[in-house]
Amino acid sequence: DTGVSQNPRHKITKRGQNVTFRCDPISEHNRLYWYRQTLGQGPEFLTYFQNEAQLEKSRLLSDRFSAERPKGSFSTLEIQRTEQGDSAMYLCASSFGQGLDKNIQYFGAGTRLSVL
Amino acid sequence: GEDVEQSLFLSVREGDSSVINCTYTDSSSTYLYWYKQEPGAGLQLLTYIFSNMDMKQDQRLTVLLNKKDKHLSLRIADTQTGDSAIYFCAESIGDYKLSFGAGTTVTVRA
Repeated sequence: DTGVSQNPRHKITKRGQNVTFRCDPISEHNRLYWYRQTLGQGPEFLTYFQNEAQLEKSRLLSDRFSAERPKGSFSTLEIQRTEQGDSAMYLCASSFGQGLDKNIQYFGAGTRLSVL
Repeated sequence: GEDVEQSLFLSVREGDSSVINCTYTDSSSTYLYWYKQEPGAGLQLLTYIFSNMDMKQDQRLTVLLNKKDKHLSLRIADTQTGDSAIYFCAESIGDYKLSFGAGTTVTVRA
């Protein structure tokens, strides 16, 4: 069991640059979620996919953010024209997506973004 | 609303029991969860309870759910130094989203 994998673990970038993060969910999990966590807070929901379809986006996800899951397996989260306020831990989770346990979410280790 | 509230800090002596409390707001939440986060790491799912249950026990962990008061607690028996971490309570919103509290920092002292 490889768990949810996220890359990179850390990313430092300059304001205005674009960044992309990758998440590989637990195999056979057809739901994938993105959350953002700032210091001293719990994670906040950003968006989720059922297979390749993006079904819900939070209002936190401005138009500079885009997420994809092209083949229903791994997902990418891109932030364009980064701002200092984007500095946070970006967490990915996955769940089986079916049956009673469809929303039991398992998280990856996260990608910590620092925007200078 | 989607506010989950937890006390921010708990200090406990090694070997004692820890009790972390949480209140949630969505009475239609299907599941309620406890996650653990160690410094610089992601969230580890500790346990969860289905909303039609009052209690769930899993080794050193006991979850109590009072649905009437929308109150959830996590008891850790025989607390160890490795239990020092931030503990998050979360409720399910709809069938896809989790709403988290701000976390309770548990410090275990010798």
